[in-house]
Amino acid sequence: KAGVTQTPRYLIKTRGQQVTLSCSPISGHRSVSWYQQTPGQGLQFLFEYFSETQRNKGNFPGRFSGRQFSNSRSEMNVSTLELGDSALYLCASSPISSGSLDEQFFGPGTRLTVL
Amino acid sequence: AQSVTQLDSQVPVFEEAPVELRCNYSSSVSVYLFWYVQYPNQGLQLLLKYLSGSTLVESINGFEAEFNKSQTSFHLRKPSVHISDTAEYFCAVSNPQGAQKLVFGQGTRLTINP
Repeated sequence: KAGVTQTPRYLIKTRGQQVTLSCSPISGHRSVSWYQQTPGQGLQFLFEYFSETQRNKGNFPGRFSGRQFSNSRSEMNVSTLELGDSALYLCASSPISSGSLDEQFFGPGTRLTVL
Repeated sequence: AQSVTQLDSQVPVFEEAPVELRCNYSSSVSVYLFWYVQYPNQGLQLLLKYLSGSTLVESINGFEAEFNKSQTSFHLRKPSVHISDTAEYFCAVSNPQGAQKLVFGQGTRLTINP
C-alpha cells in the first residue's frame, strides 16, 4: 500500500496570503489528523477529520481550517498567513472503524515558509 | 489536560552503548502512550505503544519502553545503539476519550558517535 502523501512538499508564501495543503491518506483509512511542527512549540495537534466531519480540534485560531472529502482526502487551509505560521505541517491517517484508537501513519509533511 | 515532558533535548552516545530517553506525562485520566521516531526530512514513524496490559513494550528494532504509572513515566531504552538510530524521538500521550489527538513532548535528539 502507498503511504500517506502530502502535497506540496515545500511552499513559500508571503504574509497575508492564504495557503491550502493537501493530504491523501492510506487507502482504506478514514481518519485524517493534522499537526503543526515548529522548533519553538514542537508538535501540536490541529484537528482530526473522520467521515467528512471534524471530530477533534486543537487550540489554533480560526484562520486554520480543514475539510475532508468523501474519498477521505483532506485539505487544510490557513488564511491571512503570519510569520509564525512557518512550520512543517504533518498529516496522519488511521483506519478507525469505531471510536477506539488506531495507529496513526504520518506523511512526510509540507514545509511552509512565510516571508 | 494532558502534557508530556521529555527531560533531555539532546542525548549524545557512542555506538554500541546503551541509551535511555526519558519521558514523563501528566494526565487526570487513563492514558495511551507512544514513542515516535523522526529521521531527517521525514515524517513520524511509530516505534512502540502502550495501550493496556503488560507494562513493558518492545519494538522490532531493539527498543523497549516501560509504563510506570506511579512515576507517570514511559522511558525509552535500547541496550546497544547503532549509527542508524540517529534521529529525533518523540513521546506522546492520548486517552480513550480523544484517542486520535496526540499530545507530544518536545522531542529528544539522539546522536550516535562512532
